[in-house]
Amino acid sequence: AQKITQTQPGMFVQEKEAVTLDCTYDTSDQSYGLFWYKQPSSGEMIFLIYQGSYDEQNATEGRYSLNFQKARKSANLVISASQLGDSAMYFCALREGGGRALTFGSGTRLQVQP
Amino acid sequence: DAGVIQSPRHEVTEMGQEVTLRCKPISGHNSLFWYRQTMMRGLELLIYFNNNVPIDDSGMPEDRFSAKMPNASFSTLKIQPSEPRDSAVYFCASSLSPGLAKNIQYFGAGTRLSVL
Repeated sequence: AQKITQTQPGMFVQEKEAVTLDCTYDTSDQSYGLFWYKQPSSGEMIFLIYQGSYDEQNATEGRYSLNFQKARKSANLVISASQLGDSAMYFCALREGGGRALTFGSGTRLQVQP
Repeated sequence: DAGVIQSPRHEVTEMGQEVTLRCKPISGHNSLFWYRQTMMRGLELLIYFNNNVPIDDSGMPEDRFSAKMPNASFSTLKIQPSEPRDSAVYFCASSLSPGLAKNIQYFGAGTRLSVL
């Protein structure tokens, strides 16, 4: 089974609107972390936001927030007030408790339209 | 603060040649990771080190690939001999020691390798 599933290969959003990028995960570990990274066309991987499995609150970082639903094993990224510079690939990643490396999803390409 | 530094940014080589990719992790980080990104397979872990010791190299494709970390501030990934199917973007990432809950991995800009 895929450990990380991102079902939206591509998404469009109008500038200044909010958008949700989906991520579901599969793990039997009780302790794990979920990460979102942004990869613009220039290619670098930029860390956006982290959610720990034991965190009681949903993570927020500026315009980014994470809609974490543990029972459903989903960790969706919400970007509020989209900007043209948000156009990029977005990757969800899982780090399981016993490991240190990340397992990445296939990514979602977001295009923000003016 | 300097981030993870990778060199070269781009490498074009011919099949059969040796390729060496380099990485300098963030100072103070003692976990280092090499990932490869391709269209077909996405982002996949090749190997990671903790305190300069290889911990998991199960992602290294075959014996043509080798990685070293001679000290806390430098790592290399070597492909010998290179093949066209090795063409990919190779990322290096580093993080603080495991045990910290957040343990964010910070990535370098990547090396885009083309094997002709």
